[in-house]
Amino acid sequence: GAVVSQHPSWVICKSGTSVKIECRSLDFQATTMFWYRQFPKQSLMLMATSNEGSKATYEQGVEKDKFLINHASLTLSTLTVTSAHPEDSSFYICSAPTLGESTDTQYFGPGTRLTVL
Amino acid sequence: DAKTTQPNSMESNEEEPVHLPCNHSTISGTDYIHWYRQLPSQGPEYVIHGLTSNVNNRMASLAIAEDRKSSTLILHRATLRDAAVYYCIPIIKNYGGSQGNLIFGKGTKLSVKP
Repeated sequence: GAVVSQHPSWVICKSGTSVKIECRSLDFQATTMFWYRQFPKQSLMLMATSNEGSKATYEQGVEKDKFLINHASLTLSTLTVTSAHPEDSSFYICSAPTLGESTDTQYFGPGTRLTVL
Repeated sequence: DAKTTQPNSMESNEEEPVHLPCNHSTISGTDYIHWYRQLPSQGPEYVIHGLTSNVNNRMASLAIAEDRKSSTLILHRATLRDAAVYYCIPIIKNYGGSQGNLIFGKGTKLSVKP
């Protein structure tokens, strides 16, 4: 099946710094990618939809100036957490859909665990 | 969006079958029923999907009720590696494909005992 990678798999940073997370579709092209956030013992919550060649769309309550998304190519989307704070510590997961004849399947990256000190 | 109801948790013994239920009584006629699972500290992975007929693949089977208001994911022989949170997700289909995000509920946490 299709593979989505994320880098880094984990990162620890100091409060106030910025962190960039990469999401790559390794063997297929993705015009759309999704970014989710998951806090401990909770389910995944959609943060934003990344669109190749255009601006990302953000879910209500997600600050677009804090979580910068760039979808520069058909295989790469990046999420930058700017001026990170401890409350941004979470598990960040990206996904990319593939087009199927009858339905779409989404492939998820392995996730990036962010810890802000 | 169709609402789903799943048990919070279930337990199984290794090598035994597991039936994970999902109620989706508000599903529309064109929504596919997808199942994903999330192993600890990993991203979710696709398990299986179906529309009306029962479906089988190498990972699991999906039994869909005739009225489509519920479905059951069947793991024929649970292994320790199957311990995960299982999500039942209706996917809204638009013409030409959905390409939409998945809406995750709380899912069912499956524990497998050796």
